[in-house]
Amino acid sequence: DIVLTQSPEFLSVSLGERATIECKSSQTVLYNSNNKNFLAWYQHRPGHPPKFLIRWASARDYGVPDRFSGNGSGTDFTLTISNLQAEDVAVYYCQQYYASPPTFGQGTKLEIK
Amino acid sequence: EAQLVESGGGLVKPGGSLRLSCAGSGFTFPNSWMNWVRQAPGKGLEWVAQIKPQADGGSTDYVAAVKGRFTLSRDDSKNTVFLQMNSLRIEDTAMYYCTTGPRISILWGQGTLVAVSS
Repeated sequence: DIVLTQSPEFLSVSLGERATIECKSSQTVLYNSNNKNFLAWYQHRPGHPPKFLIRWASARDYGVPDRFSGNGSGTDFTLTISNLQAEDVAVYYCQQYYASPPTFGQGTKLEIK
Repeated sequence: EAQLVESGGGLVKPGGSLRLSCAGSGFTFPNSWMNWVRQAPGKGLEWVAQIKPQADGGSTDYVAAVKGRFTLSRDDSKNTVFLQMNSLRIEDTAMYYCTTGPRISILWGQGTLVAVSS
């Protein structure tokens, strides 16, 4: 199975500042035939089900604020949250869907400093 | 508005069975890939199972930990998927979420809690 390792596990950032979460894959999730990275990001806020944020490593889902951006290719990816808001407090997960079974990173817990 | 509603969770003894249901509405259910994703207490997310649309063959796929014990099926006339869980183990204790998407989980239900304990 593909292993995704997120860092850091805990992140404390001030309101209005930038948060950056890394996700490293044990093997490439770039599909050469279409040049797409099979990597997604999710937000899991306390008391809510997880929410889909980004697909193909960088394509935001409908309605996701542009403060959220994804980057990277191959095995190394980042999720950046700019201008951090109070409602961004959550655990963030990356997920690969390149190979079965789809696997998630262990999560990064983001809090307000 | 698209939504998923899970039901069927509860407390069961090790070795027991449960059947989870997930009803979808507000989207074209027969065309949708359906998944179950679970979260054990204090742990992260784990993809459990997937079923393709009948138009794509309707095949299923499972994480190794549940293969041979869990069976995912769909009834498109009822816009519902079912997860039959047999030979339950303590480590199956988790919140089970129904989701839509081809291996990614775009839409999530609120979840149903499964507790396996003697």
